[in-house]
Amino acid sequence: GDSVTQMEGPVTLSEEAFLTINCTYTATGYPSLFWYVQYPGEGLQLLLKATKADDKGSNKGFEATYRKETTSFHLEKGSVQVSDSAVYFCALTGYSSASKIIFGSGTRLSIRP
Amino acid sequence: GAVVSQHPSWVICKSGTSVKIECRSLDFQATTMFWYRQFPKQSLMLMATSNEGSKATYEQGVEKDKFLINHASLTLSTLTVTSAHPEDSSFYICSAGGVKDTQYFGPGTRLTVL
Repeated sequence: GDSVTQMEGPVTLSEEAFLTINCTYTATGYPSLFWYVQYPGEGLQLLLKATKADDKGSNKGFEATYRKETTSFHLEKGSVQVSDSAVYFCALTGYSSASKIIFGSGTRLSIRP
Repeated sequence: GAVVSQHPSWVICKSGTSVKIECRSLDFQATTMFWYRQFPKQSLMLMATSNEGSKATYEQGVEKDKFLINHASLTLSTLTVTSAHPEDSSFYICSAGGVKDTQYFGPGTRLTVL
C-alpha cells in the first residue's frame, strides 16, 4: 500500500542554519504531496503542498519539490528561526478530499537561538 | 479560509464514563470527515472515515463499538469514546474534506482518562 518515509528526528539546528528534512513516498497513481506542521499543543497546519511532478510548494520560506523520478518531497528552508521549532509531517493523499491522508512518522525540529 | 473546530479542546473524565467530541466545519460543507488519534511524540493514526448520512468506515484494529462516530450533517461529526479507560487518553484530531485533495484539520482534543 501507499506509504511515506521521512527522516527521523529529533533535528536540532542553530538559528539561521539551512534545513533539510527528507521525505520519500511509495504510491500507486499520482498522489498529492503535503508538508504539515504541528506546533506544541496545537493541531496540524498545512505548510505547503504539490499536486503533480516537478511542482514546487512554498510557504513561509519553506520549499519542497515533487520529484517523481526519485519519489521524494524533501522540505528545505534556507535560514531557520526559533519560531520554526515544531514537528513536521510529510504526507500524501489521492485526488479527492475524501481520500485518506497517509502521514509519515513526523520529524521534531528544535532551533537553538 | 476553511475552518474546522473541535469541542472540547480538552477533557478529563473518570474511567468508565463516555466522552463525546464534536468536529465542525464552520464555513463549508464536508461530506467526509476523518478522525485521527495521536499519541505523544508520534504520528497521526487514522481511526475512521466518517461519511454524512452513512456508517463510518473504521481502520483495522479500531473498535467501532468503543469509538462511536456519527456524521449527522454536512458540518458536524461526533466521536464518542464509550466506557473510557486510561489507555484511551490521547490527542484526538478530526479533519474535513474540502476542495479536491485538500483537508482541513481541527485543533485537536486532548482526552485524559483518570
